[in-house]
Amino acid sequence: DVKVTQSSRYLVKRTGEKVFLECVQDMDHENMFWYRQDPGLGLRLIYFSYDVKMKEKGDIPEGYSVSREKKERFSLILESASTNQTSMYLCASDDSTDTQYFGPGTRLTVL
Amino acid sequence: QKEVEQNSGPLSVPEGAIASLNCTYSDRGSQSFFWYRQYSGKSPELIMSIYSNGDKEDGRFTAQLNKASQYVSLLIRDSQPSDSATYLCAPVTGTASKLTFGTGTRLQVTL
Repeated sequence: DVKVTQSSRYLVKRTGEKVFLECVQDMDHENMFWYRQDPGLGLRLIYFSYDVKMKEKGDIPEGYSVSREKKERFSLILESASTNQTSMYLCASDDSTDTQYFGPGTRLTVL
Repeated sequence: QKEVEQNSGPLSVPEGAIASLNCTYSDRGSQSFFWYRQYSGKSPELIMSIYSNGDKEDGRFTAQLNKASQYVSLLIRDSQPSDSATYLCAPVTGTASKLTFGTGTRLQVTL
């Protein structure tokens, strides 16, 4: 079974803090993705990566950055957290058929 | 026009009935289509994929694809209360070949 893990299920941070969300997959997948999910807006792609040290902006990259130093690990960074970044963050990786497998999600609250 | 459109619901069906979930998409180049199920507070999980026009059956689930009409649907036969969830349609779109998710249809199966 494909396994995608995320470092935290729930996270509470203060405005202006730097936040790191970690994602690890164990299936040697090339591509990894970060989404945020908000009520009524669905899943929106923040960034994706198709190889180590490679990254591409998704639909809503503003206020976020990413890091992929190893194939299995893809990190999402909020340089200076703001209240409008309160959301559910979902990491995924995909296989050669474009099927994406999701981690359990991190519910981030920024106060 | 949204890239992927789904009726947000809720779609309410009695136990044992057929639930029909519909999705339209705008990218005529899309070749691969995925249906995900998402329980409240959980991450999306793959139900099935479809690549060719026509029907594809997997247990109680049938996906239907009509590329000419840019329409994909999911039928759930013998609906169970455990099927109550949000169903996300996701075609592969664009030159980067990434999934674009609809906002989902919430299904409620009533006793």
